[in-house]
Amino acid sequence: DAKTTQPPSMDCAEGRAANLPCNHSTISGNEYVYWYRQIHSQGPQYIIHGLKNNETNEMASLIITEDRKSSTLILPHATLRDTAVYYCIVRDYNAGNMLTFGGGTRLMVKP
Amino acid sequence: KAGVTQTPRYLIKTRGQQVTLSCSPISGHRSVSWYQQTPGQGLQFLFEYFSETQRNKGNFPGRFSGRQFSNSRSEMNVSTLELGDSALYLCASSQSMSYEQYFGPGTRLTVT
Repeated sequence: DAKTTQPPSMDCAEGRAANLPCNHSTISGNEYVYWYRQIHSQGPQYIIHGLKNNETNEMASLIITEDRKSSTLILPHATLRDTAVYYCIVRDYNAGNMLTFGGGTRLMVKP
Repeated sequence: KAGVTQTPRYLIKTRGQQVTLSCSPISGHRSVSWYQQTPGQGLQFLFEYFSETQRNKGNFPGRFSGRQFSNSRSEMNVSTLELGDSALYLCASSQSMSYEQYFGPGTRLTVT
């Protein structure tokens, strides 16, 4: 699976949009971009995934650049409960369910 | 639907002992994966099962093993426990291979 690069930490004001970037410059054509988050000591929570089109669900939006070398996860109105470590993962759709987690971005939402 | 459940939630064992952890996937999910999380190594993939067959295995010694039952429930076993096996063990389930995975709360294992 392609490696991803994320900033180790970010701050966001409560109520504002949180934009979490991810670089995956070596992504290949059949690899999806997945986002998970982990709130302290809990199991990771699936957020969203996409291949090349932008995606939106009730939790977040995923913006993937046209060349697919980077993406941004957007939490439109961050709350204190969104404080967590966010993981960007690139996964080969045909390679089973193994997820390779990197260090992630620790997002701190502040009042 | 109920989420992924893992039992026990907390466990304390002594070096040299063995341990069995259990995972019940979301109803209808047929794939189960296991991960180990430690402060030093982060989240690492252990293995995945689908239709009672191990489909993929991470880079862990043979002391780590698992199985999946016909009802999709899964167990993992660690034999001859070492201090370094202290970790949060996470189970994730998905409808099938290559679908998004949903994680359980984990089992926190402490080896003394």
